Amino acid sequence: QVQLVQSGAEVKNPGASVKVSCKASGYTFTDYYMHWVRQAPGQGLEWMGWISPNSGGTNYAQNFQGRVTMTRDTSISTAYMELSRLRSDDTAVFYCARGYYYGSGSKYYFDNWGQGTLVTVPS
Amino acid sequence: SYELTQPPSVSVSPGQTASITCSGDKLGDSYVSWYQQKPGQSPVLVIFQDDRRPSRIPERFSGSNSGRTATLTISGTQAMDEADYYCQAWDSSTAVFGTGTKVTVL
Repeated sequence: QVQLVQSGAEVKNPGASVKVSCKASGYTFTDYYMHWVRQAPGQGLEWMGWISPNSGGTNYAQNFQGRVTMTRDTSISTAYMELSRLRSDDTAVFYCARGYYYGSGSKYYFDNWGQGTLVTVPS
Repeated sequence: SYELTQPPSVSVSPGQTASITCSGDKLGDSYVSWYQQKPGQSPVLVIFQDDRRPSRIPERFSGSNSGRTATLTISGTQAMDEADYYCQAWDSSTAVFGTGTKVTVL
């Protein structure tokens, strides 16, 4: 079965960077884009962008442009999301989610999700 | 920026039907997905491409999309359906989630 296992919780100082990993299993890693979604405490879901594990190509949401970097290591079927210049309002749970492509341009639904990684940035 | 608006909360009695709306400009021209999220858990896909259900999702979950409004319907609502629900669509190459709806089963 498909599994996405994320790295553990982190506490970072303001201005620092955090790198969250997402290890995929149960399917061919390079066949599906990996997306990242942020959820602040008590708030809704916010899409951050995707990475193509096959090509390494990325597409970032405008809100995160310049601060987020998504990478992957195909040898270990792992995707990474690094967020820099952290602020206290970046405190959130970050999820990786497998994107199932259904055509009509860059269109996906998210059929499997990681367990989430809590990143805390004290004020 | 593109916005998808949902009612903050919906209350339903066990066994009754809950309807959750999601509104946005020309939403009917896009496919909509719906996600269920229970407290402390990751979101789960319950509807994709407007009205299709993953095999593991009960038949009581259904979806529709037309005009400016997509709707998630839970028929014969059970206590286990109490959760937050989010719609999602694409605005060009950007994924947009709805504001979320808390479903309470009274």
